[in-house]
Amino acid sequence: QSVLTQPPSVSGAPGQRVIISCTGTSANIGADCDVHWYKQLPGTAPKLLIYGTRNRPSGVPDRFSGSKSGTSASLAITGLQAEDEADYYCQSCDSSQSGHWVFGGGTKLNVV
Amino acid sequence: EEQLVESGGGLIQPGGSLRLSCVVSGFTVSKNYMNWVRQAPGKGLEWVSILYSGGSTYYADSVRGRFTISRDNSKNTVFLQMNSLRAEDTAVYYCARVPGSPFYYGLDVWGQGTTVTVS
Repeated sequence: QSVLTQPPSVSGAPGQRVIISCTGTSANIGADCDVHWYKQLPGTAPKLLIYGTRNRPSGVPDRFSGSKSGTSASLAITGLQAEDEADYYCQSCDSSQSGHWVFGGGTKLNVV
Repeated sequence: EEQLVESGGGLIQPGGSLRLSCVVSGFTVSKNYMNWVRQAPGKGLEWVSILYSGGSTYYADSVRGRFTISRDNSKNTVFLQMNSLRAEDTAVYYCARVPGSPFYYGLDVWGQGTTVTVS
C-alpha cells in the first residue's frame, strides 16, 4: 500500500478537464513538502510533468497544472487528448525520515 | 544530450547479489542528486535510494542494509549494489536525476530501466 493515495483510475472525454488527486498526511504533503507528478506510458520510463507542486518543465503543455492544499495535491489536465491516456504518479518527501521520498500508487487516465 | 543508461539486471536466485550500473552522459553525476526507483511487474513506482551530491545516502526501509548506492566520478557512473536479494525485489530498476534541491526539483531525467528477476 502506497503512502500517498491516488484513485486507481479516472476517465474523461476528449476536450474535457480531469483532476487526479493525491492524498497524503502531515508527514509528507501536509509537512510543506513539494509534490511532483509523472506520466508513464506502457513499457517506458516515467516523464516529469510537474515539479515543485506547480511548475512545468520545459516542453510540458500548459494544459497540465498542479496544486496543493493541506495534505492533498491535485493534477489538472484540461483539453484532454488521446495521447494523455497513461499512468500518472504523484511524489513527495517523507518528513519523518530524512532524505526519503514517497510515491502514490498511480492513476490510470482513460480518454474515452 | 543528458542521458542515463542502466545495465546489470538479470535473473538471480534468492539470496544472491547483483550490481546495477547507470552510465551518465551530458551532465556530471557528482554535481547532481542521483536516485534509483523501481517498479515491480504491474505495480507502481517505488523510490529505492538517493545519493546526494555531497555524498550522503538514503534508502527505503525495504532495502536498507541490503542495498548500497555509490558513484565513480571518474566514470560518471552510479551503482546500486544489491545483496540478499528477495523475490519481492523483482522489478524494473530506473536510474534518475534530481538537478538541484532534492525536494523541490523532481526526477527530471530517467534511464530506460534494467530488469531484475529474483527467482
